[in-house]
Amino acid sequence: DVKVTQSSRYLVKRTGEKVFLECVQDMDHENMFWYRQDPGLGLRLIYFSYDVKMKEKGDIPEGYSVSREKKERFSLILESASTNQTSMYLCASTRGQILSYNEQFFGPGTRLTVL
Amino acid sequence: KQEVTQIPAALSVPEGENLVLNCSFTDSAIYNLQWFRQDPGKGLTSLLLIQSSQREQTSGRLNASLDKSSGRSTLYIAASQPGDSATYLCAVKFRINKFYFGSGTKLNVKP
Repeated sequence: DVKVTQSSRYLVKRTGEKVFLECVQDMDHENMFWYRQDPGLGLRLIYFSYDVKMKEKGDIPEGYSVSREKKERFSLILESASTNQTSMYLCASTRGQILSYNEQFFGPGTRLTVL
Repeated sequence: KQEVTQIPAALSVPEGENLVLNCSFTDSAIYNLQWFRQDPGKGLTSLLLIQSSQREQTSGRLNASLDKSSGRSTLYIAASQPGDSATYLCAVKFRINKFYFGSGTKLNVKP
């Protein structure tokens, strides 16, 4: 079974804090993604990575950065948290790049509240 | 611009009914389409994945079809149960390593 885990289910931080969200997958997948999910806006892609130390911006990268030092781990960093970053954050992974068979596997999500 | 639309946004049916959820997309040049289930406050659980070369996929009481020419996919749920109550999302892969999600259909199956 593919397993994608996220470091926290719930997180409460204060405005201006630096926040780290961690995601780990155990299936040797090449690709990893960070999304945020908000009511009425659906899932929006923040960043993705197709290899170690490689990253690409998604649709809403502003205010976020990412790090992928090891294949199994993809971190999302909020350099200075703001209240509009209160959201559900979802991590996903897929294998391969060229093949069309790229089933996405999601983690359980981290509900972040910024006060 | 690639877009994925799911209608209706919410659906309420009595237990035992067969039902169809719809997903439409704007560009027929897709790689694959994936249906997910999401329970409140939880992550997404993969239900079915249809490759661009396939017409349908089945898993238990679920059947997903794909018609690229009309830009549509349907998820058929047979003999619905209260445990099927959740939000159902479709995601379309238009090009390598980028997926577009619909806003979901919230299903309520009444006992």
